[in-house]
Amino acid sequence: GQNIDQPTEMTATEGAIVQINCTYQTSGFNGLFWYQQHAGEAPTFLSYNVLDGLEEKGRFSSFLSRSKGYSYLLLKELQMKDSASYLCAVRDRDYKLSFGAGTTVTVRA
Amino acid sequence: IAGITQAPTSQILAAGRRMTLRCTQDMRHNAMYWYRQDLGLGLRLIHYSNTAGTTGKGEVPDGYSVSRANTDDFPLTLASAVPSQTSVYFCASSEWGLDTDTQYFGPGTRLTVL
Repeated sequence: GQNIDQPTEMTATEGAIVQINCTYQTSGFNGLFWYQQHAGEAPTFLSYNVLDGLEEKGRFSSFLSRSKGYSYLLLKELQMKDSASYLCAVRDRDYKLSFGAGTTVTVRA
Repeated sequence: IAGITQAPTSQILAAGRRMTLRCTQDMRHNAMYWYRQDLGLGLRLIHYSNTAGTTGKGEVPDGYSVSRANTDDFPLTLASAVPSQTSVYFCASSEWGLDTDTQYFGPGTRLTVL
């Protein structure tokens, strides 16, 4: 099974940078995903890492260290619309996802 | 339609009643999933189907059943609803087996069991 931990809440100022950490323990790792979920809406895909290192996608970057069971999502140049929950999910060898409880990010003016 | 649709959007249900949540996708994805999302617990997998005609149990399958008669539809049935099944239910689909396999989610069904 999977055990996935991420902080419950984070607050940051518009224009700043926020880093959301995710640690996991898994019985069969096959990739790590980050999803964004605005209140009352469905989760939407942000990023995917299967190899160690940094994946950059515009203002969002995601990092993975498989040996440490660790990932982070970096949000740069924060905007008000980035206020949302960010979900870390680990995929197993059967291609099923296990999700962390999510980190609620609040961006303040 | 484009993507995944779910019906109903929300429902209030008396305990003991039977309820089917509907999910339809038009992306021709082979895999479909049902999750429930509860505050503080995140998304938990109820049932999944890797291809039409097959289904499997997820983390929290008790009290739920599914069927996958064709590629597009994946209904979730609560045979006799209980208050602990009050939750937001999300259906998702993906192209199972690809390294870049990404799950796409429907808009959700908010279910309240009284």
